Amino acid sequence: RKEVEQDPGPFNVPEGATVAFNCTYSNSASQSFFWYRQDCRKEPKLLMSVYSSGNEDGRFTAQLNRASQYISLLIRDSKLSDSATYLCVVTPDFFGGSQGNLIFGKGTKLSVKP
Amino acid sequence: NAGVTQTPKFQVLKTGQSMTLQCAQDMNHNSMYWYRQDPGMGLRLIYYSASEGTTDKGEVPNGYNVSRLNKREFSLRLESAAPSQTSVYFCASSVSLSTGGGQPQHFGDGTRLSIL
Repeated sequence: RKEVEQDPGPFNVPEGATVAFNCTYSNSASQSFFWYRQDCRKEPKLLMSVYSSGNEDGRFTAQLNRASQYISLLIRDSKLSDSATYLCVVTPDFFGGSQGNLIFGKGTKLSVKP
Repeated sequence: NAGVTQTPKFQVLKTGQSMTLQCAQDMNHNSMYWYRQDPGMGLRLIYYSASEGTTDKGEVPNGYNVSRLNKREFSLRLESAAPSQTSVYFCASSVSLSTGGGQPQHFGDGTRLSIL
């Protein structure tokens, strides 16, 4: 099983739609979780951290389910500018993982159409 | 506030040539990283530096060397470029090493490297 898995998409949705991405991770001892956004031919940028209690930032809501080892990102009222690839990112535990650094999923591509 | 700055933005090399990719951050971060990103492969860690004076191998270190010149700068060197090293290279930094501490990383805007 890969360390971090995401549905590659693409997700093609109309403006105003609600869209949800899921991500699963294999290391149950993973400590921290993030969603990054990457525009075409640009660098990844931190979108939001994912907390155990769930967190919301405007139209974006992130949830963590440690028991099932998955993370979700919900985008409400999609905008054209939300079109990008969304990367699920996990930090390993103190003693393992990719030499102690962020582990990136391959990303889910979102395309919001007018 | 520039954040993480990478140079050059684009480079074309011939097989066997060498070059150094430069990275500097102005956020007073302790940890720095080099990644490569290839289509369908996602981001893969090449080398990282937990703090000034230390460097460690990541997932794909072969064919690369790094130097943590000071707290601000972390360079990546290709000694003898090969076509398999054609990729987009990203430098990143974080307050401290990401292990267990939940520190997000901030990325430079990348170097697009083609090796013929």
